[in-house]
Amino acid sequence: EPEVTQTPSHQVTQMGQEVILRCVPISNHLYFYWYRQILGQKVEFLVSFYNNEISEKSEIFDDQFSVERPDGSNFTLKIRSTKLEDSAMYFCASSRQTGADEQYFGPGTRLTVT
Amino acid sequence: LAKTTQPISMDSYEGQEVNITCSHNNIATNDYITWYQQFPSQGPRFIIQGYKTKVTNEVASLFIPADRKSSTLSLPRVSLSDTAVYYCLVRIPGGYQKVTFGTGTKLQVIP
Repeated sequence: EPEVTQTPSHQVTQMGQEVILRCVPISNHLYFYWYRQILGQKVEFLVSFYNNEISEKSEIFDDQFSVERPDGSNFTLKIRSTKLEDSAMYFCASSRQTGADEQYFGPGTRLTVT
Repeated sequence: LAKTTQPISMDSYEGQEVNITCSHNNIATNDYITWYQQFPSQGPRFIIQGYKTKVTNEVASLFIPADRKSSTLSLPRVSLSDTAVYYCLVRIPGGYQKVTFGTGTKLQVIP
C-alpha cells in the first residue's frame, strides 16, 4: 500500500537555526498539507499546497515558514529561524483531491528546538 | 468561529460497542465529516467519512442526523488495539481546503 514518508524522524536544532523537513507524498496525489502537533495537544493545520502554490494557510503559518515542491516527488517545510515554541511533531499529508477525499498522513518528524 | 466538540476521553471494556459523538454546528453545505484515529507518535489514520445518514465500512459506522450538526462514530466490539485518540474532522466555512481537527477523544479500552 502506498504511503507518505517523512525525513528525518527526529530533528534537534538550536533556536534561531533554519530547518527543512522533508516529505514524499503518495505519487498520484495532487494536494499536499503540513500539520503540526505540540505534545499533548491537538493536530493543527498549517498549510495546503496545490499546483505549485499555497492554497490556504493558517495563522500559525507566518513569514518564518515556507513550503516548496522542489521536484516531482518531494514536498518540504522550511522554518527560517526556529523558536522554542516550534518544538512539535510535524505531519505531512497528501490527498488525491480536496473536498471529500481522505488525507493520508506520514509518520511525522519530531522537531526539538533547544 | 465554528468549532468541533468531542468528549475528552472515554473508557470501554473489550468487546463492547463504543459511540463517540462530535458536534459541528457551523458545518457548511458541501462539507464532509471525516473521522481519524491516532496512536501515540504516529500520524492520524483515516477511519471513515460521510455526508449524511449512515455510512459503514469494515471497521466502523458513521451516523449523521438530518441537520448534520453532529455525527457519531460507532466502533463495534472494540479490542485493546483500538485504544487511541479519535478525531472528528470537518471543513469549516470560509476555506475550501482548510481542515480543522476536533479536540479528539482519547479512547481507553480496558481488558
